[in-house]
This record gives sequence, structure tokens and C-alpha cells, in this order.
Amino acid sequence: QKEVEQNSGPLSVPEGAIASLNCTYSDRGSQSFFWYRQYSGKSPELIMFIYSNGDKEDGRFTAQLNKASQYVSLLIRDSQPSDSATYLCAVPTYTGRRALTFGSGTRLQVQP
Amino acid sequence: DTGVSQDPRHKITKRGQNVTFRCDPISEHNRLYWYRQTLGQGPEFLTYFQNEAQLEKSRLLSDRFSAERPKGSFSTLEIQRTEQGDSAMYLCASSLGDLNTFGSGTRLTVV
Repeated sequence: QKEVEQNSGPLSVPEGAIASLNCTYSDRGSQSFFWYRQYSGKSPELIMFIYSNGDKEDGRFTAQLNKASQYVSLLIRDSQPSDSATYLCAVPTYTGRRALTFGSGTRLQVQP
Repeated sequence: DTGVSQDPRHKITKRGQNVTFRCDPISEHNRLYWYRQTLGQGPEFLTYFQNEAQLEKSRLLSDRFSAERPKGSFSTLEIQRTEQGDSAMYLCASSLGDLNTFGSGTRLTVV
């Protein structure tokens, strides 16, 4: 079992819709969770992080965490074509190392 | 510019040659990471520095790879005797806590 799993997609949504991206992780001790956006040919850019169970909202983005189910999701409201990118879920797997273990990413396509 | 800088942006090399990449982190960040990313995959951790100390290396990092961070500032990643399987994007990130900020990466192509 991979440490961080994501559906590779592509996930296709119409402009203005809600895009829902999901991620599961294997390490029950994980305390923090990150979502990065990566445009084709570019480096990852941090868009959200969450530490506590529940929801965290930032503009059109909402991160949802359920530690009991080892599940974290990212919702993008009012999706725009400029949101078309690969979304990477990341977890610091080992205490003290602070490096991130990434999922393989979900490619999102927002259709105009 | 206060972001993470990487040089060069692209490198094409022949198999068997040595290559060296440079990373300049955000100045106040004491942690520095190297990752490698291949097409369709997320970044994979290679090695981690806290200040000048290299605290961890991934099993992915063969003996042909070496990294340094003299004086706890910039870092270099050297690959000796490159192989075609080394072709990838090499990403540097720096952080104070958990929030890794990535550089633009160095894309390596081994021909």
C-alpha cells in the first residue's frame, strides 16, 4: 500500500462547478496535511494546509480532514479554467524529518 | 527575489557525464530538501539538510548522488556517471517548519 494515494484522474468538471479531490494516507500518526497545485512544467505551489479534523476554508478552496478515516480532501468552488492543473496531496511521514511524502497527484480539467 | 532559486533550469547531458545542480533557499529557512519528480508522479524525497548538516538520505539516493550545503546556505546536488534513468525534474525546497516552498526545478535529460 502506498503511503499517500490519490486518483490520477483526469477529473473533468464544467466551469463554475465544485471540484472534489480526494487523498488517503497510511500513517495514522500524521499530524499535518498539505495540498499543492502544479501546472504542467512548473514546480509545486502550496495552496492549503490543515492540521485539525474538520474543514478549513481559504477563498474558493476548502480542505477537509478526517483522521479516523485517514482521509483528506480538497474542494474547489466555482472552478475556473485556470484551476486546471495537477493537485498533489502531501504528508510529512516521519516525525522530525519534515520532508513530505506526496501522492501521485490528480489531474483536474475545468471545461469552459 | 526572496523565493527558492535553482540553477540551471535545464540540463542535457550524455550518459556517463557528471552534473551538478545548485539551490539557493529562502534566506531565513534553515531546512533544505531535494526531491526528484518523474512524469506522472509526485515528488520523491532524496535528502534533507538542517543548516549545514545532512540529516537524512533516501534509499533512492544511490552512491552516485552526493549533496552538500556548506555553511548552511546554498546547496549542491551532484550526480556522477549519469544514467538515462536519472532523467527527471530535480526540485529543491526550503522551510522553517512544515511548509515546503519549492524552487522552479532543474530538468535533467540524459541522452
